[in-house]
Formats: sequence, structure tokens, C-alpha cells
Amino acid sequence: GENVEQHPSTLSVQEGDSAVIKCTYSDSASNYFPWYKQELGKRPQLIIDIRSNVGEKKDQRIAVTLNKTAKHFSLHITETQPEDSAVYFCAASMGNTDKLIFGTGTRLQVFP
Amino acid sequence: DAGVTQSPTHLIKTRGQQVTLRCSPISGHKSVSWYQQVLGQGPQFIFQYYEKEERGRGNFPDRFSARQFPNYSSELNVNALLLGDSALYLCASSRTATNEKLFFGSGTQLSVL
Repeated sequence: GENVEQHPSTLSVQEGDSAVIKCTYSDSASNYFPWYKQELGKRPQLIIDIRSNVGEKKDQRIAVTLNKTAKHFSLHITETQPEDSAVYFCAASMGNTDKLIFGTGTRLQVFP
Repeated sequence: DAGVTQSPTHLIKTRGQQVTLRCSPISGHKSVSWYQQVLGQGPQFIFQYYEKEERGRGNFPDRFSARQFPNYSSELNVNALLLGDSALYLCASSRTATNEKLFFGSGTQLSVL
């Protein structure tokens, strides 16, 4: 069935270190993979996205990589800062309807 | 420009009641999607409307219904509320029919007692 698994559920890093969050998806027809950041009590905000015809995309300290063969994609945050602390959600589009299936979230804590 | 706006922000209902949630998309966005977010989980897709037509529906019972108006605003209706319907209901808008570049509203927190 339609499923997106996300790991880890919590991640604690020291300021300046890197953080990596991984997701796997089940639908081989998925072609769009966004990442959302949700701060406590706030709306999810799109931070980066990638389409299936691209293997990697970078935006300043944030990068996403996609392995279509293995059906997994990852979010990489370098030089983490306390303001990066939030819950991060990955998502994958389901090929036939384009609806997004979200992962269960990763709570990232960056300690000063 | 205003972002996606939702009303009300909070709502308390009792089991069996009906509720209507409202959403106004970003100006120029013709697609509105509804998601349910239970505490500690990722958003779950409920509906998508594009140009006033239903384009997709998630695995939710028929008690959930929605519509989109000519000005692209949308309403989500839930009948015969159950305790398990307690959640944050998020509306998201996008320019195109696909679910790319979704902009979310702040949500309506629904509590069913």
C-alpha cells in the first residue's frame, strides 16, 4: 500500500554539526518528494523539494538526495543552528493521484 | 500578500455534531487540499479540489465532504463527529493541479468531546 517511512523519530545534534533524516517510499510511480519543517504550534513550511528526474538538490545549508532504485530519499542539514530545531516531515506523491503521503516526522533538536 | 487563511482557529464540538471548516487560498492559487494531522503524526490527505472539481480523495469515511467555490475558497464538512476526529485540520493551496509547492494554512484545531 501507500506508505512513507521516516527515520529517526528524534535527532539531537550539537550546533554546527550535520543532521541527516531518511525516508523510504513504496510507490515506484512517485515522482515528487518535498520536505516540510513544522515549528511548534505553526504551519508546515516547504523547505526543499525534488523531482524524480533529479538525484540531488541543494539550497544553502539544506540538500536532498534521491535514490529511485532503492526508493529512498534523504534530507541533509549542514552547520545546524538552534533555529533549525523543529519537526521535519518528508512526503512522496502517489503516482496516480499526485496526493502527498507524509512520513511520521523527525523531531530535530539543535543544542547550542 | 496574505497566505492561506483558515477559520476558525479552534473549535470544540461534542460527539454526533457536525462541523464546517473554511479555507481561503493564496491569491492566484486554484488548488485547495485538506489534511488531517493527529498529534505526533504527519498530515494525512483528505481531499483535493482544483477548479471546483474534486481531484482526489483520501481514505476517509463519507462523513467527510468538501467543496470549492468559484473564488477558490473551500469548506470541509464533517458529520456525526467521533472522538477520533479530534485533530488539527490543515488546508493547503497551490497554483497547479498537482500537489507541488503546497502552502499550508495555520489549521483549525478541532476537539471532539
